[in-house]
Amino acid sequence: AQTVTQSQPEMSVQEAETVTLSCTYDTSESNYYLFWYKQPPSRQMILVIRQEAYKQQNATENRFSVNFQKAAKSFSLKISDSQLGDTAMYFCAFMNGRDDKIIFGKGTRLHILP
Amino acid sequence: DGGITQSPKYLFRKEGQNVTLSCEQNLNHDAMYWYRQDPGQGLRLIYYSQIVNDFQKGDIAEGYSVSREKKESFPLTVTSAQKNPTAFYLCASSPGVFSGNTIYFGEGSWLTVV
Repeated sequence: AQTVTQSQPEMSVQEAETVTLSCTYDTSESNYYLFWYKQPPSRQMILVIRQEAYKQQNATENRFSVNFQKAAKSFSLKISDSQLGDTAMYFCAFMNGRDDKIIFGKGTRLHILP
Repeated sequence: DGGITQSPKYLFRKEGQNVTLSCEQNLNHDAMYWYRQDPGQGLRLIYYSQIVNDFQKGDIAEGYSVSREKKESFPLTVTSAQKNPTAFYLCASSPGVFSGNTIYFGEGSWLTVV
């Protein structure tokens, strides 16, 4: 069975700093997709970034980038020049390419301090 | 507007009662999902469906039931067998791994047992 582990339950950084959220996963599949989602206090889930496992190039979206290490089964999220609006829960997610099953980690609560 | 609509947003249930949470999408997505969110537990998969008239159990299916009679609808019934149903419930959909893999979420439903 696939599992997703986020080892940092909570983090705090100063505004404008860079922060990295870690995520590891376990799977025997070769075709899969990885995501980072942001959940602000409104509880609305917002896609931050996604990565196809068959692509070696790390995905980037403006201030957000990932470090995808397929052999190590690691998928960390880096937030550069952090802003107060980045304060939220962040979830790492794994999508099985065989049967569309999607599972999430337990989340990291990120606080951006002024 | 295209999206996922969950209703009701807030629901109170007496012990021993079954309740049904509605999830409708107009995105023409094949795959639909139900997740439960508890504090510190992240999102746990209850059921998912890849196509009409077919669905699979997730990690915490006991005490829940679903149906997928129409492509756009995936209602979740919380039965009296679910011992601790108070939680935040999220419905999601995806085009399916062979058609794209972005996951879209509804705004969620709060269920409280009184």
